[in-house]
Amino acid sequence: AQSVTQPDIHITVSEGASLELRCNYSYGATPYLFWYVQSPGQGLQLLLKYFSGDTLVQGIKGFEAEFKRSQSSFNLRKPSVHWSDAAEYFCAVGGGTNAGKSTFGDGTTLTVKP
Amino acid sequence: DTEVTQTPKHLVMGMTNKKSLKCEQHMGHRAMYWYKQKAKKPPELMFVYSYEKLSINESVPSRFSPECPNSSLLNLHLHALQPEDSALYLCASSQDLSGSPQEQYFGPGTRLTVT
Repeated sequence: AQSVTQPDIHITVSEGASLELRCNYSYGATPYLFWYVQSPGQGLQLLLKYFSGDTLVQGIKGFEAEFKRSQSSFNLRKPSVHWSDAAEYFCAVGGGTNAGKSTFGDGTTLTVKP
Repeated sequence: DTEVTQTPKHLVMGMTNKKSLKCEQHMGHRAMYWYKQKAKKPPELMFVYSYEKLSINESVPSRFSPECPNSSLLNLHLHALQPEDSALYLCASSQDLSGSPQEQYFGPGTRLTVT
């Protein structure tokens, strides 16, 4: 069975500081990995995805993520955080015989200090 | 147009009411999804439609009844709900369910309160 762990429930960073959100997955084959962001009261927006190829993936809003098979990780990074990045971040893994199901992590809440 | 729209934005209903949530997309996607999301939790998959046919039902109680009248529209009919059904209901769509998983495009959600 596939699973996703986001070890950090809540992270606080200062505006302009760098950010790394952790995501560990469990999956038997090559995973399909996603990072979504959700602002309060809104739907989820895809930041980036990894299916295959280059393990460093660029996304929207200046985010990137690196797939590390040896560590079963897909951590999200941003070099300089803006106040508007404060939101909930979900890592998700999809795959297997049922393409309709993605498994989401529990999320990490990002707070940005001025 | 990469937008998924949902109406209404907010809904308050009593336990004996019947109401419907609506979702629409014009991206030509053939897979559409309903999720339920409680505060500070990830979305929980409820239903998936593929080419207007119900593909996945995650053992959702029958008081929730999905409907996909055409490839652009997805409804969720609500009847005799319980207060614990209060949540944000999210609709999403993706290209289809064939082959690899694809990214899903989410609507803004309907905030449902059951009184």
